[in-house]
Amino acid sequence: TQLLEQSPQFLSIQEGENLTVYCNSSSVFSSLQWYRQEPGEGPVLLVTVVTGGEVKKLKRLTFQFGDARKDSSLHITAAQPGDTGLYLCAGVKANAGGTSYGKLTFGQGTILTVHP
Amino acid sequence: DVKVTQSSRYLVKRTGEKVFLECVQDMDHENMFWYRQDPGLGLRLIYFSYDVKMKEKGDIPEGYSVSREKKERFSLILESASTNQTSMYLCASSKRGVSPLHFGNGTRLTVT
Repeated sequence: TQLLEQSPQFLSIQEGENLTVYCNSSSVFSSLQWYRQEPGEGPVLLVTVVTGGEVKKLKRLTFQFGDARKDSSLHITAAQPGDTGLYLCAGVKANAGGTSYGKLTFGQGTILTVHP
Repeated sequence: DVKVTQSSRYLVKRTGEKVFLECVQDMDHENMFWYRQDPGLGLRLIYFSYDVKMKEKGDIPEGYSVSREKKERFSLILESASTNQTSMYLCASSKRGVSPLHFGNGTRLTVT
């Protein structure tokens, strides 16, 4: 079983629509990161959330960290074809000490396709 | 800008061959990681290193080993490649502690 469950796995939408991607776990995380990956490239960090209930905005992207720090969501408003890609959430488990500190666990990813 | 460079974009190897995947980072990062990426499974950690000559197993270390003789270089070794090791391999680096990962562009390895 995956420590971080992402849903949906696939999203195919029209330009201008809104969408939300979810990242859920039964474990508590000290922080969660969201990455975006385009074909032929490595993932690139979008945002890090560290405080329960935190909301961060990056242009049309809104990221939220759950109050209990077990889940996170990514909401995109008025999606554009340039938003197409693989979105990955990744977290550091709370109380991970020693050399495990900094070790990220990734969700399965959400493949988003935005059609013009 | 941090740059993480993986030596090959594509590799085709035969079953049983010894395979070396090389990764170099230019930002003096303490941590380096090797992940493999497979459809529907996300990124799974193979090994990571938090300092020169130091390494720790990730979630799927079987069939792999690593080497970190210099701070900027982290090598992944497949001692005897098998077809189930066909995958995309991603190298990443980060500063010590909880820091964003900086990824290379990946090496797509096919074992036939």
